[in-house]
Amino acid sequence: QVQLVQSGAEVKKPGASVKVSCNTSGYTLTTYATHWVRQAPGQGLEWMGWINAGNGDTKYSQKFQGRVTFSADAAASAAYMELRSLRSEDTAIYYCARGRRVVVTAIQYYFDYWGQGTLVSVSS
Amino acid sequence: QSVLTQPPSVSAAPGQKVTISCSGSSSNIGNTYVYWYQQVPGTAPKLLIYDNNKRASGIPDRFSGSKSGTSATLGITGLQTGDEADYYCGTWDRSLSAGVFGGGTKLTV
Repeated sequence: QVQLVQSGAEVKKPGASVKVSCNTSGYTLTTYATHWVRQAPGQGLEWMGWINAGNGDTKYSQKFQGRVTFSADAAASAAYMELRSLRSEDTAIYYCARGRRVVVTAIQYYFDYWGQGTLVSVSS
Repeated sequence: QSVLTQPPSVSAAPGQKVTISCSGSSSNIGNTYVYWYQQVPGTAPKLLIYDNNKRASGIPDRFSGSKSGTSATLGITGLQTGDEADYYCGTWDRSLSAGVFGGGTKLTV
């Protein structure tokens, strides 16, 4: 069965970086884009971007451009999200999700399987 | 400020029906499919509805989705206490070339 298992909770100081891993099984990582979505405490879902592990293509939300990097290791069936220059507003649960590609008027994605989430806390 | 607009909360009695609305624009809902996710507090979101009105694997037919113009609706019939959760609509915005979500609706049964 399809599973996405994320790394454990992190506590970081402002200005530091964090790298979250997403280990997948039950499907071939290179066949689907891996998306990252975050959720601040008590808030809604916020899309961060995606990576295609097959060719290394990435797309970042403008909000995080320059501060986030997605990477993947196809042999290990794992994807990674690194966020730099952390600030208190980055405190959130970070989810990886498998993206199903759909072509309507343009290419779009929806998220059919999700990781369990990784809590990143940023505090001095 | 979410790109898609949902009511913050809805409530209904067990066994009743409820609908949750999701409003967008021509750059998102008006020209793409809509998706619905259920998030039980403390857990990850789960796909409920894809491509406007198709139920994801294992989702009972008490859940339904529809779309008209730039709005979409999630319907839940025969409400059960286990349906208490936050519900999010989501889609793709072609102007932003980005995934977008509603702010979420808390369902109380």
